[in-house]
Amino acid sequence: DAGITQSPRHKVTETGTPVTLRCHQTENHRYMYWYRQDPGHGLRLIHYSYGVKDTDKGEVSDGYSVSRSKTEDFLLTLESATSSQTSVYFCAISESGLAGGPLYEQYFGPGTRLTVT
Amino acid sequence: KQEVTQIPAALSVPEGENLVLNCSFTDSAIYNLQWFRQDPGKGLTSLLLIQSSQREQTSGRLNASLDKSSGRSTLYIAASQPGDSATYLCAVKNPQLTQAGSYQLTFGKGTKLSVIP
Repeated sequence: DAGITQSPRHKVTETGTPVTLRCHQTENHRYMYWYRQDPGHGLRLIHYSYGVKDTDKGEVSDGYSVSRSKTEDFLLTLESATSSQTSVYFCAISESGLAGGPLYEQYFGPGTRLTVT
Repeated sequence: KQEVTQIPAALSVPEGENLVLNCSFTDSAIYNLQWFRQDPGKGLTSLLLIQSSQREQTSGRLNASLDKSSGRSTLYIAASQPGDSATYLCAVKNPQLTQAGSYQLTFGKGTKLSVIP
């Protein structure tokens, strides 16, 4: 299994509070991704990173920000959590974001279940 | 916009049966297609990746096929076992470049498989 950890694994927070989720990898992969998974929607990309300090928006980026100061860490921040952000959040990594063979497969972390009350 | 559909949403089969899971996509200009397995409360595990130039990939009892022209992929599981019970997701890598010059995945909502002993 790819060396990806996410913390915390579970979190309950109140509406309006800031929340930061952490993804840590030991594979030295260049690309890192944050997805959310909701019933009826499948996985949707929030933000991704293609290098240290290099990030781009995904399909559902509103209300989220990210930072990557080191190759191994990718942080997802909810500046002011809302109930619509209750979800399971997955981090993923890949060696490249380009099309291609096995090097370009995405590998996923165990997920963080976030509940906003 | 690429859309990925997986039918059925749920499937229950007796142990030992061979089965087929279906994945269809609306834009046939994909770079590759990836099948994942997700166990309850866990992350995604990559099973097979098929390049756009390939017709199929095999790993053990799993065989994935790809027909780009018709926008379809199937995952064949031979001699199913209770341990195969999980949700199976397919994802396609799209040809549209993001601002950062990357290609992104679009996921289906998955098929929940139950193999009855």
